[in-house]
Amino acid sequence: DIVMTQTPLSSPVTLGQPASISCRSSQSLVYSDGNTYLSWLQQRPGQPPRLLIYKVSNRLSGVPDRFSGSGAGTDFTLKISRVEAEDVGVYYCMQGTQNPWTFGQGTKVEIK
Amino acid sequence: QVQLVQSGAEVKKPGASVNVSCKASGYTFNDYWIHWVRQAPGQGLEWVGWIYPNSGVTKFAQKFQGRVTMTRDTSINTAYMELSRLTSDDTAVYYCTRDLNWAYDYWGQGTLVTVSS
Repeated sequence: DIVMTQTPLSSPVTLGQPASISCRSSQSLVYSDGNTYLSWLQQRPGQPPRLLIYKVSNRLSGVPDRFSGSGAGTDFTLKISRVEAEDVGVYYCMQGTQNPWTFGQGTKVEIK
Repeated sequence: QVQLVQSGAEVKKPGASVNVSCKASGYTFNDYWIHWVRQAPGQGLEWVGWIYPNSGVTKFAQKFQGRVTMTRDTSINTAYMELSRLTSDDTAVYYCTRDLNWAYDYWGQGTLVTVSS
């Protein structure tokens, strides 16, 4: 199974400041069709997860443009350009390249 | 608008089975894989498996093989997940979710399954 490792596991951030979460996979996430099936999810307290980014850097319709994804191969990053109060929650990276699909441990973003 | 509406919370005894439903609306049910993901209390996300409603083909995580069944009823746009031989380790919120480009764009509200004697 592909292991997804996120850092940091906790990220206290000042409102209006940037935040960055790293995700590393134990194997390359490039699929045979050339796509990289790495996505980012946000889970606010008491809510189901919500898709933010798919295929590394594609923002889902309706997701604020302060969220961006980047990376390739085994190293990926989610950036929030200016953290807002509504961004508090746990963020997960997820790979859909190889069965079984696997998730990172989650990174808790909270306001300082 | 796309919606996935799941059945209500369940309390089961160890060794029993649970069946969770997921009713889809707002899109063509047959065209998108439905995945099931679970989350134990205070823990992260774990993939259980998927079903392709068009054909009924399924794929499960190895750890659930032999214990999980996924079915669908296309006449009512509903997917089902049955998990048998429950233990306390199966206590979790179970989510159904729609697959978009091998990512999850819509989620059900979640169904809490509690296994307790």
